[in-house]
Amino acid sequence: AQSVTQLDSHVSVSEGTPVLLRCNYSSSYSPSLFWYVQHPNKGLQLLLKYTSAATLVKGINGFEAEFKKSETSFHLTKPSAHMSDAAEYFCVVRELYNFNKFYFGSGTKLNVKP
Amino acid sequence: EPEVTQTPSHQVTQMGQEVILRCVPISNHLYFYWYRQILGQKVEFLVSFYNNEISEKSEIFDDQFSVERPDGSNFTLKIRSTKLEDSAMYFCASSDGKDYTGELFFGEGSRLTVL
Repeated sequence: AQSVTQLDSHVSVSEGTPVLLRCNYSSSYSPSLFWYVQHPNKGLQLLLKYTSAATLVKGINGFEAEFKKSETSFHLTKPSAHMSDAAEYFCVVRELYNFNKFYFGSGTKLNVKP
Repeated sequence: EPEVTQTPSHQVTQMGQEVILRCVPISNHLYFYWYRQILGQKVEFLVSFYNNEISEKSEIFDDQFSVERPDGSNFTLKIRSTKLEDSAMYFCASSDGKDYTGELFFGEGSRLTVL
């Protein structure tokens, strides 16, 4: 069975500094991996996804993530945080052979200080 | 861009009352889901639905819950007798089901408040 671990429940950065949100997964196969963002009182919006093509994936709003199979990681990064990036971020894994199933991480709340 | 729509955006109900939350998934999608998020907590899977039947459900999805696709476009979640602990944001989602690469598309959510 799959599992997803988001290592930090809260991350706080200053505006203009880099963002790193960590995600590790367990899987017997190469899964599809997604990062979603949830702004307060809003639905979940897809930031980016990895589906076994390029290991460095670029998403919206300047975010990117790198799939590292050897480390079973899919960390989300952004070179320079903006105040509007303050939100909750969810790492999600989809199984290869039972692709009805999506596994959610517990979420990381990103706080951006002025 | 196609989107998942949910109604109502907010519903307040008395404990013990029945509630129906409605969703219109993206029209060519095959898999439909309900998730819930209690305030300040993580997103929890409730149920998935494919080919007019439940394909998977979590332990949260007990006999008080049911889902239905009554008319080929709507996908509803019914809570028969609401409890205080059912207060949460409920998200509907859909995916195309073509292969494992497609993402979930979420609605904006329905906030349920049980008094």
